Amino acid sequence: GESVGLHLPTLSVQEGDNSIINCAYSNSASDYFIWYKQESGKGPQFIIDIRSNMDKRQGQRVTVLLNKTVKHLSLQIAATQPGDSAVYFCAESPVKYIFGTGTRLKVLA
Amino acid sequence: DAGVIQSPRHEVTEMGQEVTLRCKPISGHDYLFWYRQTMMRGLELLIYFNNNVPIDDSGMPEDRFSAKMPNASFSTLKIQPSEPRDSAVYFCASKQNTGELFFGEGSRLTVL
Repeated sequence: GESVGLHLPTLSVQEGDNSIINCAYSNSASDYFIWYKQESGKGPQFIIDIRSNMDKRQGQRVTVLLNKTVKHLSLQIAATQPGDSAVYFCAESPVKYIFGTGTRLKVLA
Repeated sequence: DAGVIQSPRHEVTEMGQEVTLRCKPISGHDYLFWYRQTMMRGLELLIYFNNNVPIDDSGMPEDRFSAKMPNASFSTLKIQPSEPRDSAVYFCASKQNTGELFFGEGSRLTVL
């Protein structure tokens, strides 16, 4: 079946350090992957996406890496800031979007 | 554009009552999704529509749940009768043919 799972439920990172959030997916047919950020009391917000014909994509302070061989996705956040504290979800899609349970990122001052 | 608009933002009801959640997708988006979020199960896809037609409702928990999309600018998710285990945050999201999902702010449902 289709499923998306996250390895770490909670990640604590010192302010200024880099964060890496990992995600495993199971559907080989998925061709589009997205990372979302959800702050308390709000809906998920788009961070960055990547298509299956790429293995890396960079945005502003964020990088997504895709390893199709092992069906693994990661989100790297450079110079983590207090405002990055949130729950992060990965999602996979050939058509519909399946989300994992999320990883909570805590930024320590 | 105002984004995806959901109502009500909060609803508290008693077991057995009917609950109707509403969603207005972003204009021009072809797809509409309903998700349920709980601490234990995260974001679960309940149903999605393409051009107002339900495509996949395999995530709808049981017959007590129903969803409709009478036109391109409105959708409802109904629970009848509601049960305490239905307590969750329900999100509506929409997208164009390709690209990312845009989420609403959610409807927090508490069933006593």
